[in-house]
Amino acid sequence: AQSVSQHNHHVILSEAASLELGCNYSYGGTVNLFWYVQYPGQHLQLLLKYFSGDPLVKGIKGFEAEFIKSKFSFNLRKPSVQWSDTAEYFCAVKSDSWGKLQFGAGTQVVVTP
Amino acid sequence: GAVVSQHPSRVICKSGTSVKIECRSLDFQATTMFWYRQFPKQSLMLMATSNEGSKATYEQGVEKDKFLINHASLTLSTLTVTSAHPEDSSFYICSARQVGNEQFFGPGTRLTVL
Repeated sequence: AQSVSQHNHHVILSEAASLELGCNYSYGGTVNLFWYVQYPGQHLQLLLKYFSGDPLVKGIKGFEAEFIKSKFSFNLRKPSVQWSDTAEYFCAVKSDSWGKLQFGAGTQVVVTP
Repeated sequence: GAVVSQHPSRVICKSGTSVKIECRSLDFQATTMFWYRQFPKQSLMLMATSNEGSKATYEQGVEKDKFLINHASLTLSTLTVTSAHPEDSSFYICSARQVGNEQFFGPGTRLTVL
């Protein structure tokens, strides 16, 4: 069965620190990969996505993610976080042509001033 | 663009009653809508996929007679939780997708069953 795992459930860091959130999936076929963010009290928003091509994907708000096929990973990074990056981050994998997404458990990121 | 709304945003009901949640795509036609359930501190779990004009496809373990889904038009899908019980209390989120495009998520509906 396909699964998506996020390594950290809770991350606390200071402003200007670098952030890296791990995401691994188990699925042998072609994958589409996504990172979503959910700010407090708001709905899920797409940060970035990978369908094909350059495995280093740049998204909104300075985020990027790298698809490493051999490691079944799609880690999210931001070189310097801001207080406004406090949110929950979800990795998701698209399982088939119907566009069904399977989500990881999420990582709560808290950025302290 | 690509806004999805849900109504209501929050509902409290008594055990045994039914609750209807609406999901609307405001500025695009959604060929497919998805319903998710999110428990506290947990991820989104897909409940069902609905295509306009056809029956919804439910994920394993989701009771189709309890969670009735109707996708009557390209901009509206409804989820009705029938005979709700306290264990149905959760955060319900819908998303909408055009063919080949990404999913756009609604703000969610917090259901509390007393």
